[in-house]
Amino acid sequence: EAQVTQNPRYLITVTGKKLTVTCSQNMNHEYMSWYRQDPGLGLRQIYYSMNVEVTDKGDVPEGYKVSRKEKRNFPLILESPSPNQTSLYFCASRTWDLLGGYTFGSGTRLTVV
Amino acid sequence: GNSVTQMEGPVTLSEEAFLTINCTYTATGYPSLFWYVQYPGEGLQLLLKATKADDKGSNKGFEATYRKETTSFHLEKGSVQVSDSAVYFCALITPNTGNQFYFGTGTSLTVIP
Repeated sequence: EAQVTQNPRYLITVTGKKLTVTCSQNMNHEYMSWYRQDPGLGLRQIYYSMNVEVTDKGDVPEGYKVSRKEKRNFPLILESPSPNQTSLYFCASRTWDLLGGYTFGSGTRLTVV
Repeated sequence: GNSVTQMEGPVTLSEEAFLTINCTYTATGYPSLFWYVQYPGEGLQLLLKATKADDKGSNKGFEATYRKETTSFHLEKGSVQVSDSAVYFCALITPNTGNQFYFGTGTSLTVIP
């Protein structure tokens, strides 16, 4: 089944403790993105990647890092999480054909206390 | 710049009622327009799309027409079901911003029996 898999689904952590949210896709997609979803703000792009070793900032990159060492994986790293990073995070992927739209993962709900 | 404005929710309808969710956009160039649906606890799924003026996207009884003169892409369904309860997101992408989708803030729909 074609899908984007994120882990974990739920995570509660403390301020300053480094964490990684994993994302993997099995569709051989070139593009991958991370979004955060907050009430009243919709989805905002954090980082995106156009291919292996090619990443760039989205609208809200502060406090986040990403890497794209393999085509299928695009982990999101929070080096020192803060409470304002409490949110629902989505990983998504797509092909070069932007009209195909993104395929989204099921989301990771992160709480930073 | 590019942006999407959706009607605020939440929207509550009785089963078999007519649904309209308004979406207007601002874009440089010629955007492609999308509606995504997010069911509870899941990621976003592509519902329908339209790539040029006067195109009508349709899927699962939902329709939306790309109106360039009014910069709108309103989502409609003639008879909603309880299973349509979800959050609906309007989105756009333009050729000169191929890496990024611009999402509206989402409209929550609840259909009661």
